[in-house]
Amino acid sequence: DTEVTQTPKHLVMGMTNKKSLKCEQHMGHRAMYWYKQKAKKPPELMFVYSYEKLSINESVPSRFSPECPNSSLLNLHLHALQPEDSALYLCASRGSGQGQPQHFGDGTRLSIL
Amino acid sequence: AQRVTQPEKLLSVFKGAPVELKCNYSYSGSPELFWYVQYSRQRLQLLLRHISRESIKGFTADLNKGETSFHLKKPFAQEEDSAMYYCALSGKSSDYKLSFGAGTTVTVRA
Repeated sequence: DTEVTQTPKHLVMGMTNKKSLKCEQHMGHRAMYWYKQKAKKPPELMFVYSYEKLSINESVPSRFSPECPNSSLLNLHLHALQPEDSALYLCASRGSGQGQPQHFGDGTRLSIL
Repeated sequence: AQRVTQPEKLLSVFKGAPVELKCNYSYSGSPELFWYVQYSRQRLQLLLRHISRESIKGFTADLNKGETSFHLKKPFAQEEDSAMYYCALSGKSSDYKLSFGAGTTVTVRA
């Protein structure tokens, strides 16, 4: 299995809702990432997990809460989001060693009403 | 700090013509450089990485440390090369987080 799988593919939620995005990989990668991508813009890093521990938080608002339950899973819990949070949320993973690329999932397209 | 600059937002070429996408970077240390491609409605996927020095889909990229550049080239563009291309940099000192350039949209016309 050489893929990063993200669910759901699409999500529409109100500003008072609580929802979660899920990311899964079975490549044995110990680094996992969350990115936010707006239309026609590059991905922007949100969080980095290394060996299931949060190592980087790029000053992301607390309404986004990441979680890494085990080495294969990464969640992003959402609460009280704003319309400007509508975007494509990408998950990626990276294997160990020099020059390893990040592998991206298809993303979850999130719309906030 | 790590930074990637792609000076061209849009690039339009005719089929069979050469295409070159520019990428310059800034990083204090030994960077890892990548080119990612995003075709319409598809996931972001790796095209090339500097460490492998290979040719994928006819594309090549050479890391020039003196000019801090990693330009992407293809001698004969094809219509299926139309896509968004991102140059990206990562490094050990930043947990290998990827910093992307702004991206270049390539359109290959028949």
